[in-house]
Amino acid sequence: EDQVTQSPEALRLQEGESSSLNCSYTVSGLRGLFWYRQDPGKGPEFLFTLYSAGEEKEKERLKATLTKKESFLHITAPKPEDSATYLCAVIQETSGSRLTFGEGTQLTVNP
Amino acid sequence: ETGVTQTPRHLVMGMTNKKSLKCEQHLGHNAMYWYKQSAKKPLELMFVYNFKEQTENNSVPSRFSPECPNSSHLFLHLHTLQPEDSALYLCASSDDSAVRPQHFGDGTRLSIL
Repeated sequence: EDQVTQSPEALRLQEGESSSLNCSYTVSGLRGLFWYRQDPGKGPEFLFTLYSAGEEKEKERLKATLTKKESFLHITAPKPEDSATYLCAVIQETSGSRLTFGEGTQLTVNP
Repeated sequence: ETGVTQTPRHLVMGMTNKKSLKCEQHLGHNAMYWYKQSAKKPLELMFVYNFKEQTENNSVPSRFSPECPNSSHLFLHLHTLQPEDSALYLCASSDDSAVRPQHFGDGTRLSIL
């Protein structure tokens, strides 16, 4: 069964304390992996797409990486405004446009 | 401004009511989606439309009825819902069904009494 598992479920950091979020997946034929950020009361906001192992994308304090089994979202020197739930989703070869989401990691950055 | 607008933002209805959720996208996309987001669960795909044609129904109960009159508008008609249908309903759009990111609206928070 196709699965997307995110860890940890929740993470508390102090401002400036760098860390990583994990998204592991077991799908047949990965076509793409997406990272989203979701704030309370809002819809998911697109961050990155990764297509192949070894690929990396960066945006401000965030950096996403991809291997054949997992993706990491690295957060460098986070600020309180980085507090949100981070969602990972994958599209596989046989699923058309169907995104399979993980349950998310709720990140809290304390000042 | 997300480019995907959903109305209403909040909806409370009884189990015997009929209501509709509306989604409009201004991104020029050809594909539109309905998702359900419940607490502590991953986003769950409900329906997919490509060029106004329904291409996917993820075994959704018939009390949810989608409608896509054109590539910019998507509706979800609700009838005789159950308390377990209370959730955040999200609409998304993307540039056809290739591997392109889906862009989400802010959702309709639905509560069934």
